[in-house]
Amino acid sequence: NAGVTQTPKFRVLKTGQSMTLLCAQDMNHEYMYWYRQDPGMGLRLIHYSVGEGTTAKGEVPDGYNVSRLKKQNFLLGLESAAPSQTSVYFCASTGTLSGNTIYFGEGSWLTVV
Amino acid sequence: GQSLEQPSEVTAVEGAIVQINCTYQTSGFYGLSWYQQHDGGAPTFLSYNALDGLEETGRFSSFLSRSDSYGYLLLQELQMKDSASYFCAVRGGDNTDKLIFGTGTRLQVFP
Repeated sequence: NAGVTQTPKFRVLKTGQSMTLLCAQDMNHEYMYWYRQDPGMGLRLIHYSVGEGTTAKGEVPDGYNVSRLKKQNFLLGLESAAPSQTSVYFCASTGTLSGNTIYFGEGSWLTVV
Repeated sequence: GQSLEQPSEVTAVEGAIVQINCTYQTSGFYGLSWYQQHDGGAPTFLSYNALDGLEETGRFSSFLSRSDSYGYLLLQELQMKDSASYFCAVRGGDNTDKLIFGTGTRLQVFP
């Protein structure tokens, strides 16, 4: 019973490098979200998706891109990483059959040097 | 835009009762939910209010008043393990499917 799985869990990038974070859920959820959380701060919505093939901007979308080619996967891309993108990234999902519970992945710690 | 404001920190002693408030600026949302997050961990779901009033789940209760744009989380019989950050969140506000979180409240429980 995996729930929401994020990979990788830890990554160090050099400024200007690109990378992709993968979020996979096995609950057939329609809605998926990507957040960043800086130390001592709340969760800020980067992008979200309401279904396969759809994406939409959240509160802090600049510098990030996303794709939802398959219902179970939601990818977050950094095309040219910057030190300001050093953060913990959380993926979350929910669906019409999960009630109102939001399920989170364990987080991905990203450091850009 | 949507915003949810919470006190930054609350302290209490074991066995006490504490209330964490959430005031919001949004409209048309599906409901107000609450999450707990321990240091280094992921948020976990605690409670949800679709309608105005009180919802009780064990030691935790949550309240919503849409007319006052206000909600709160009530934690009873506090335990040391309740020391964590607590976030309120709304989904569906402003005619979107965004899930927006509050600023967060750090609860410290002392013996």
